[in-house]
Amino acid sequence: AQKITQTQPGMFVQEKEAVTLDCTYDTSDPSYGLFWYKQPSSGEMIFLIYQGSYDQQNATEGRYSLNFQKARKSANLVISASQLGDSAMYFCAMRGLNYGGSQGNLIFGKGTKLSVKP
Amino acid sequence: ETGVTQSPTHLIKTRGQQVTLRCSSQSGHNTVSWYQQALGQGPQFIFQYYREEENGRGNFPPRFSGLQFPNYSSELNVNALELDDSALYLCASSFKRGDADTQYFGPGTRLTVL
Repeated sequence: AQKITQTQPGMFVQEKEAVTLDCTYDTSDPSYGLFWYKQPSSGEMIFLIYQGSYDQQNATEGRYSLNFQKARKSANLVISASQLGDSAMYFCAMRGLNYGGSQGNLIFGKGTKLSVKP
Repeated sequence: ETGVTQSPTHLIKTRGQQVTLRCSSQSGHNTVSWYQQALGQGPQFIFQYYREEENGRGNFPPRFSGLQFPNYSSELNVNALELDDSALYLCASSFKRGDADTQYFGPGTRLTVL
């Protein structure tokens, strides 16, 4: 069975500093995708970044980067130069990839609440 | 914004009633997934529709049912509402293909069951 673990219920970071949000996963699928979503208090889940299990390089999207360590089964999100608008819940999610088959559903962790201090 | 819309934004029902939630997918997307997010938890997968057919279901009872229409919009129906059905219901649309594809979420419908 697939499982996502986010061990940090809450994190604080000073504005303009970098922060790392932890995510570990467990799966028996040979290929899979890892996602990070941001959920502000409004409720909408906003896609941030994706990493495929066979991607050779760590994914980056603007101020977001994913520190993917396959042997350790971790996919930590790094946010550089934090902004006040980054305050939100952050969810790590994964999905098995079945090339040519069904799309599969996302399995989410419990999330980490990030608070950015001015 | 993702282009995924949901209605209504908020809903209050009483136990035993039935509810229908609606989702319009992003243009070009043919797959809709529904998730339930209880307070303080991550979203839980309910089911997915692809080209009007159910394409996977999570651990939810049959009183949770759905539809997808030819324009790829979707409905989630919940019968015999229970107090534990109070949650944020999220729909996500994507384009089904063989490799990794991203699900884009709507703003959600917050359901309260009294």
